[in-house]
Amino acid sequence: SQELEQSPQSLIVQEGKNLTINCTSSKTLYGLYWYKQKYGEGLIFLMMLQKGGEEKSHEKITAKLDEKKQQSSLHITASQPSHAGIYLCGADILEYGNKLVFGAGTILRVKS
Amino acid sequence: GAGVSQSPSNKVTEKGKDVELRCDPISGHTALYWYRQSLGQGLEFLIYFQGNSAPDKSGLPSDRFSAERTGGSVSTLTIQRTQQEDSAVYLCASSLEGGTGESERAEAFFGQGTRLTVV
Repeated sequence: SQELEQSPQSLIVQEGKNLTINCTSSKTLYGLYWYKQKYGEGLIFLMMLQKGGEEKSHEKITAKLDEKKQQSSLHITASQPSHAGIYLCGADILEYGNKLVFGAGTILRVKS
Repeated sequence: GAGVSQSPSNKVTEKGKDVELRCDPISGHTALYWYRQSLGQGLEFLIYFQGNSAPDKSGLPSDRFSAERTGGSVSTLTIQRTQQEDSAVYLCASSLEGGTGESERAEAFFGQGTRLTVV
């Protein structure tokens, strides 16, 4: 989706290292959602952010939405092999109506 | 049910045949979405149902694709005269409500998907 740009496209990190995935739009994001997908499985909801400057954490994963509500980051601290998968950001963008638009995803591999 | 259920999980069909994919949303969820994920691609929106409102079909790629939602619950996505480019994982999601705007949408829960292969 060109509405949401995710970076990087793929990432290989050593176990124990920190990493950040970014999701950016040129339009205002009224809701920003992070999902994780493992190969052959459905999407697992991680976190939802709605307010500018909002930050949420769950275990070792922290997601932030900037004040302008156009950029979000997902940060994983001390990565583990269980963090491996595809991370997708999805968003409500007013101009696109009812649908959630998604980024292309970031493939994360964690080396032991 | 406990989660969104999709069936079949895998479907292999011959080019030109029709296929039906089924989605059982979480009980009580009024919003239902169909997405398609092709190899190496992000999620592509197909169609959205919200309560009794007319569905948003703006994402359906051609008139070979149709979907219905009976009784506000189960949804069926039908692809007629399948083509090889229809091969993808078809994902269904449901949420308590949909729509844009501040604080309107609840998080969407996704099913495991149906992997469709057209040979």
